[in-house]
Amino acid sequence: GQQVMQIPQYQHVQEGEDFTTYCNSSTTLSNIQWYKQRPGGHPVFLIQLVKSGEVKKQKRLTFQFGEAKKNSSLHITATQTTDVGTYFCAGVWLNEKLTFGTGTRLTIIP
Amino acid sequence: DVKVTQSSRYLVKRTGEKVFLECVQDMDHENMFWYRQDPGLGLRLIYFSYDVKMKEKGDIPEGYSVSREKKERFSLILESASTNQTSMYLCASSSRTGAFYGYTFGSGTRLTVV
Repeated sequence: GQQVMQIPQYQHVQEGEDFTTYCNSSTTLSNIQWYKQRPGGHPVFLIQLVKSGEVKKQKRLTFQFGEAKKNSSLHITATQTTDVGTYFCAGVWLNEKLTFGTGTRLTIIP
Repeated sequence: DVKVTQSSRYLVKRTGEKVFLECVQDMDHENMFWYRQDPGLGLRLIYFSYDVKMKEKGDIPEGYSVSREKKERFSLILESASTNQTSMYLCASSSRTGAFYGYTFGSGTRLTVV
């Protein structure tokens, strides 16, 4: 079936350092979405990328969609303790069903 | 504030019991989904529904069934609970074009089967 691979599985960073998580699909996506799940919480929708090469920013978060629409990344600049959680990408192909990556758990060392 | 409400936050059931997990959304969304979340495996789709009385199998439907008698309610049924169904269960909903607007998730039900 259709899969989205996400790396790394875990990332520990010092507060103030940058963080990046990557997602990759073997086939072309229709769009990709990103979610954040705080510890003990549920996934919350962050953003959607639709266009080839699209870049979107939300404050310290930068989301990119590859030119071939097969990969995506989320970059956080100067991490803060509030960034702690698991970040999931979710790919969409021709149907409306999301397929989630396995997530990257971010922990911050104060 | 839009909401997806799951009936229980924690459940403990015995092996072989029939288990019902309820989910209600107040956003008039057409699409509803059931996922389970396990460490290292992410979110895996069990069943989904695009309309009342309609259901489709997701990636891991074995051992589960669903019911959608009303637009706002989507129930997940474990016909005979087994220990390998111990997991966090998440319900989500979206509008008909929801793949382009994101899913809204409930708070989850942590089910333990003993």
